[in-house]
This record gives sequence, C-alpha cells and structure tokens, in this order.
Amino acid sequence: RKEVEQDPGPFNVPEGATVAFNCTYSNSASQSFFWYRQDCRKEPKLLMSVYSSGNEDGRFTAQLNRASQYISLLIRDSKLSDSATYLCVVNAGGSYIPTFGRGTSLIVHP
Amino acid sequence: NAGVTQTPKFRVLKTGQSMTLLCAQDMNHEYMYWYRQDPGMGLRLIHYSVGEGTTAKGEVPDGYNVSRLKKQNFLLGLESAAPSQTSVYFCASGEQGLYTFGSGTRLTVV
Repeated sequence: RKEVEQDPGPFNVPEGATVAFNCTYSNSASQSFFWYRQDCRKEPKLLMSVYSSGNEDGRFTAQLNRASQYISLLIRDSKLSDSATYLCVVNAGGSYIPTFGRGTSLIVHP
Repeated sequence: NAGVTQTPKFRVLKTGQSMTLLCAQDMNHEYMYWYRQDPGMGLRLIHYSVGEGTTAKGEVPDGYNVSRLKKQNFLLGLESAAPSQTSVYFCASGEQGLYTFGSGTRLTVV
C-alpha cells in the first residue's frame, strides 16, 4: 500500500460546482498535513495547511480524519482558474522527508 | 523576490554528458530537497540536505550527486546523463511540510 494515496482523476466539473478530493495516508505517526496546488508545467505551491479541527480559506475547506487516516479538500463555487492538480502532503513527526501524493487533477469547464 | 531560484530552466544534453543544476534560496532554510517529476509518477525525492555540509539519499538517488557547501545553495549533478534522466527537476526548501519550490528545470537527454 502506498504511503499516501490520491485518486488521480481527472475530476471534470462545471463552473460553480462543489468538488471534494480525499487523500489517505498509511503512517499513523503522521502529524502535519497540507494541500499543494500545481498548475500545468509549473511548480507546486502551498494551498493550505490542514488542521485537526478543520479549516477554511475562502472557497476552500480542508478536513482531517485521524481515525480513518485521510484528509480532504472541498472546493465550493469552482472557478475556471481552479483547474490544476492538487497534491496532498503528509509529514510524520520528526521526519525531514515529506510524503507527497501523486495528485488529483481537476478540470473546471464553462 | 524572496524564494527559491533554479538554473537553468531548460537544458538538452547528449547521453554521457554532465551538468550541474543550481538551487539557491534566500529564506535561511536548513532543509533543501531535489525532486524529479515524471508523468504519472508524482514527485520523487532524489537527495536532500538538512544543513550546510550535509546530504542524504532519497528515493531515487542513482546517477545523481549533490553538494551543499553553502547554506543557501544546493547543487544537483549528473555525471553521465542517460535518457532515463529526462525529467522535470524541482528544488524545494523548507520544513515540516511547508515548502517553497523553484520553478523547475526541464532536462532532455538525447
């Protein structure tokens, strides 16, 4: 089983839709969690951290479920500009090395 | 602008040639990383460094060498390039899941 798994998609949604992605992790010692966004042919950029109680940043909501070992990203009112690949990142406590998921592709169409 | 700078942005090498990719960061980060990204494979860690003068192997280190003589610079070397090293290379700095990536180097080995 891979350490961090994501559905590669693509998720193809119309503008204005709500879409959610999950990311499962296998290491129960994982302590910090993040979502990154990567546009085509560009570098990954931090989208948001994921906190235990869940957190929101505008149209984006991130959740952590430690019992089931997954994190989620919800995007409301999708925009064309949200089209990208979304990578989840998991860090075990005390580890120098983050574990990246392979990413979920989102395509928002008019 | 503060951040991570990679050079060169593009390069075409012939099999057997050597080259060095330079990564420079001005955020005073201790940890720096080199990744390669291939279609469908996600980000794979080549080498990393937890401080000036230290380096360690990642997931796919074969065929690459690195050096961290100065805190702000992390160099990735290919001694004898092979077509299998055709990829996009990203440098990153940061820690505990919070990373800034360089804009990438697109390397083609023919």
